[in-house]
Amino acid sequence: EVQLLESGGGLVQPGGSLRLSCAASGFTFSSAAMTWVRQAPGKGLEWVSTISDTGSRTYYADSVKGRLTISRDNSRNTLYLQMNSLRPEDTAVYYCARAGNCDYWGQGTLVTVSS
Amino acid sequence: DVVMTQSPLSLPVTLGQPASISCRSSQSLVSSDGNTYLNWFQQRPGQSPRRLIYKVSNRDSGVPDRFSGSGSGTDFTLKISRVEAEDVGVYYCMQATHWPRTFGQGTKVEIK
Repeated sequence: EVQLLESGGGLVQPGGSLRLSCAASGFTFSSAAMTWVRQAPGKGLEWVSTISDTGSRTYYADSVKGRLTISRDNSRNTLYLQMNSLRPEDTAVYYCARAGNCDYWGQGTLVTVSS
Repeated sequence: DVVMTQSPLSLPVTLGQPASISCRSSQSLVSSDGNTYLNWFQQRPGQSPRRLIYKVSNRDSGVPDRFSGSGSGTDFTLKISRVEAEDVGVYYCMQATHWPRTFGQGTKVEIK
């Protein structure tokens, strides 16, 4: 059974940093691209970033480029999202999803950026 | 960026009746490999999104056959043949042909 478990969310001040993790199990992690999608409170889904299976290719939404960095550790079956220079508009539930087509999703982790 | 436009944004339906959601893209979603990467997701209240349909018309495992997807190019449709109470939630289309990936605004399905 495919499982994705996000962690690392919390309250952070504007300008601060946070690192999200997504622990994967139930499939060959090293063979799958992975994606982060976020959802601001009461709003729709927004694609954030995708990383290829080896980590050699990364893609970002313009709204996060230069501030958020996606990475992965295939030896640990874990996906990461390093979040720097956070802004109030980054407040959202962050979901990790398998593959570029998002066939499986985690339960999400809430990031709140507020002073 | 490819803009995905869904309609309607709110869809009150009667149990047992059909429902249809439209998703239009601002440019063709046909990829250079010949595939059309248009997905549909369901998000029930308080839950994570779940993929229902991939590549326009392919149902994911475990998805009831009352859900169907169709369309081509820039015009796509999700249909529910007979709405059940468990179908309440928000439905999103997403294109995965072009970077950046983009979602529609979401269509809220509720029971009349």
